[in-house]
Amino acid sequence: AQKVTQAQTEISVVEKEDVTLDCVYETRDTTYYLFWYKQPPSGELVFLIRRNSFDEQNEISGRYSWNFQKSTSSFNFTITASQVVDSAVYFCALFKGNAGGTSYGKLTFGQGTILTVHP
Amino acid sequence: GAVVSQHPSRVICKSGTSVKIECRSLDFQATTMFWYRQFPKKSLMLMATSNEGSKATYEQGVEKDKFLINHASLTLSTLTVTSAHPEDSSFYICSAKLAGALYEQYFGPGTRLTVT
Repeated sequence: AQKVTQAQTEISVVEKEDVTLDCVYETRDTTYYLFWYKQPPSGELVFLIRRNSFDEQNEISGRYSWNFQKSTSSFNFTITASQVVDSAVYFCALFKGNAGGTSYGKLTFGQGTILTVHP
Repeated sequence: GAVVSQHPSRVICKSGTSVKIECRSLDFQATTMFWYRQFPKKSLMLMATSNEGSKATYEQGVEKDKFLINHASLTLSTLTVTSAHPEDSSFYICSAKLAGALYEQYFGPGTRLTVT
């Protein structure tokens, strides 16, 4: 079975602070994909980043960066110099890449982390 | 980029009535669409997987007779909440997977259903 855990329910920071959102996943598959989505108050899910299980290279994209560690099954997401517009719910999600089984083709979402950035 | 629309964006209905929510892929063909339900301050829970031209596959615990899903074309899937009750009030989100794609899913903006 697949599982995604976001232990941080809510995080509150002041603008310009850096903030890291934690994500730990469980899967028995060797091929999988990890995602981060942002859900602003409007409700629409916004795709942020995706990594596959074979690529542990960590990257930076603008103010976003991520740290993928297969050894600890973690896929943490960092926002540098946070802004008020970053306030949203952030979801980590896992996609099963190996064919077969009941979870194939489906996204499993974590519980979400509510991020509030204060001016 | 790929765009998915949902209609309506917000609906209020009376208890006992049925309401239909449409999910459309506007600029691509989607052989598979997914329907999620999200309660306030909660995660997205997959309700069912909808494949064009075949019956939907429902997740455990989801009543298929209550949540009717029809995927009649490669660009349209509908979710009908039958005999709605206040506990059906929720945010419903669909996503559409590109035909032939492995993981690319594009999410609709969601539909907020309130049953009074």
